[in-house]
Amino acid sequence: ELKVEQNPLFLSMQEGKNYTIYCNYSTTSDRLYWYRQDPGKSLESLFVLLSNGAVKQEGRLMASLDTKARLSTLHITAAVHDLSATYFCAVDNNNDMRFGAGTRLTVKP
Amino acid sequence: DAEITQSPRHKITETGRQVTLACHQTWNHNNMFWYRQDLGHGLRLIHYSYGVHDTNKGEVSDGYSVSRSNTEDLPLTLESAASSQTSVYFCASSRTLGLAGSEDTQYFGPGTRLTVL
Repeated sequence: ELKVEQNPLFLSMQEGKNYTIYCNYSTTSDRLYWYRQDPGKSLESLFVLLSNGAVKQEGRLMASLDTKARLSTLHITAAVHDLSATYFCAVDNNNDMRFGAGTRLTVKP
Repeated sequence: DAEITQSPRHKITETGRQVTLACHQTWNHNNMFWYRQDLGHGLRLIHYSYGVHDTNKGEVSDGYSVSRSNTEDLPLTLESAASSQTSVYFCASSRTLGLAGSEDTQYFGPGTRLTVL
């Protein structure tokens, strides 16, 4: 059974600092997604990673995928308050999407 | 603009009642999905559909049913609501999710908060 584990589940960081969120999954898949969710809101797509070694960047966020290690990372550079949200990774297992539990990120001044 | 909507946004019902949550998308997407979101579990897939008259069970399908009579709508029915089904429900759609090389992602509706008393 496909399992998706994110860590940390809670992350409090200061503005200007860097940090990485990790997403491990248990079976082979070459398709991984990152989403952002603001409190009380819906999910917004951030990145789609399709192949081993894929790297995508948008602003202060950079996502990467290592299919051999079954690991994706979401790196935050010089965090700002606007990045405070919950971040989910999701793995596509033949259209059976499995989500991680989410990482609640709080960026403090 | 194309969009995906859910109704109602909030619903309170009693144990044992039948409840139907609506999902409507105007993107003409083939694929539609229903998830529930509970603290500590992320999102869990309930049912999904690849097109009209197609439905498939997801990870947590017991107690739920869907039917797809047109491209735009995928209603989710709780046949006999239980307190364990209190949750936030999200509908999503996508164009070609799953095709090799496709960078399509899912677009999520605003969610329905369901409380079963």
